[in-house]
Amino acid sequence: DAGITQSPRHKVTETGTPVTLRCHQTENHRYMYWYRQDPGHGLRLIHYSYGVKDTDKGEVSDGYSVSRSKTEDFLLTLESATSSQTSVYFCAISESETGVLNEQFFGPGTRLTVL
Amino acid sequence: KNQVEQSPQSLIILEGKNCTLQCNYTVSPFSNLRWYKQDTGRGPVSLTIMTFSENTKSNGRYTATLDADTKQSSLHITASQLSDSASYICVVSAGDMRFGAGTRLTVKP
Repeated sequence: DAGITQSPRHKVTETGTPVTLRCHQTENHRYMYWYRQDPGHGLRLIHYSYGVKDTDKGEVSDGYSVSRSKTEDFLLTLESATSSQTSVYFCAISESETGVLNEQFFGPGTRLTVL
Repeated sequence: KNQVEQSPQSLIILEGKNCTLQCNYTVSPFSNLRWYKQDTGRGPVSLTIMTFSENTKSNGRYTATLDADTKQSSLHITASQLSDSASYICVVSAGDMRFGAGTRLTVKP
């Protein structure tokens, strides 16, 4: 998985609780992304980062926040988890945002269940 | 409506047979088109990448084609193996990445 780890790999939590997922990379890539994957949908972008402390919203950002204090770490926080946020979350990294170097390498995923 | 549509949603074939997966997209213009393979419980892994000027790209038993005029791509798998059982995802890059929902391929012995 291209030097990308995600933690935890599995989590079960209750509605209303805050949850933080961590993505760690050893590739020194500038761009990092958080996606969610749900049955019948393609991967959908939640937030992405283009550098330390530089982040932007994706297609489905409501209810999520992110932080990137170091090149290698990108955190995704669900401020108050809801059942609709039950999903598999993938972190990805890339060297560039566009062109052929924008190949994204994905982490192994975190399966989150919100009861 | 998703700008990247894949068909079929799922497919079952016997080991050793060939198969073709389809991807139709409406994203325009686009920079490149990728096919990813996603094993169960793992993240997607890139198989091929084509720019708009390329119309075929191979990676071992995987061959991707692209028709930019009709906005269609296909992934052909030759002499399938049990390890080809996975989801195959078409991704069109147009600044951001647009993901298809994938085709779930099962190869049976």
